[in-house]
Amino acid sequence: DTGVSQDPRHKITKRGQNVTFRCDPISEHNRLYWYRQTLGQGPEFLTYFQNEAQLEKSRLLSDRFSAERPKGSFSTLEIQRTEQGDSAMYLCASSFGGTASGYEQYFGPGTRLTVT
Amino acid sequence: GENVEQHPSTLSVQEGDSAVIKCTYSDSASNYFPWYKQELGKRPQLIIDIRSNVGEKKDQRIAVTLNKTAKHFSLHITETQPEDSAVYFCAASYPSGGGADGLTFGKGTHLIIQP
Repeated sequence: DTGVSQDPRHKITKRGQNVTFRCDPISEHNRLYWYRQTLGQGPEFLTYFQNEAQLEKSRLLSDRFSAERPKGSFSTLEIQRTEQGDSAMYLCASSFGGTASGYEQYFGPGTRLTVT
Repeated sequence: GENVEQHPSTLSVQEGDSAVIKCTYSDSASNYFPWYKQELGKRPQLIIDIRSNVGEKKDQRIAVTLNKTAKHFSLHITETQPEDSAVYFCAASYPSGGGADGLTFGKGTHLIIQP
């Protein structure tokens, strides 16, 4: 499968614990985006990278959230001291910025987080 | 920041009829407008998109129109089929170095195709 992949697909954690998610973009895609989606809502943008540089962060990305893309390939999203309100589907998307199709963002299957 | 409004929230049409979903956006700097289809439990799937330098784009039974003056864009699906049943999201984004910034999504339209 050459699409965007995410790991794990499901995560159940207790309030106060830290969690980390991984996203592997489509090969050669230089842009990687993180979104959060709650039931019945559209995805909400969190942050994005071009190569290893984090270019934009949403106000939704509180201090408890941190994202990295150290080598410009895969990315990790960490949530510290999880709260019940963090329960959501965390989606990753990638695109090939600077090309004719550079605007198109392709999504991964998501990581569903449940905080108990 | 950008704000995207989408309506209707639910749309039920007879198989074979046409469906139209409308979105408005607030920031005139936005120039990229994709539409995604999301089936239950699956990832959002890009079905069509349009940039601000064109007014209409068509791909088989799907078309998107854009009115930059009025800041609204619409998705048109003709000859609807049962497999078109899903939630559809519109989105808008600013340009950024040959690509797009993060997308701002509407709240979605649940399209139901009645047999």
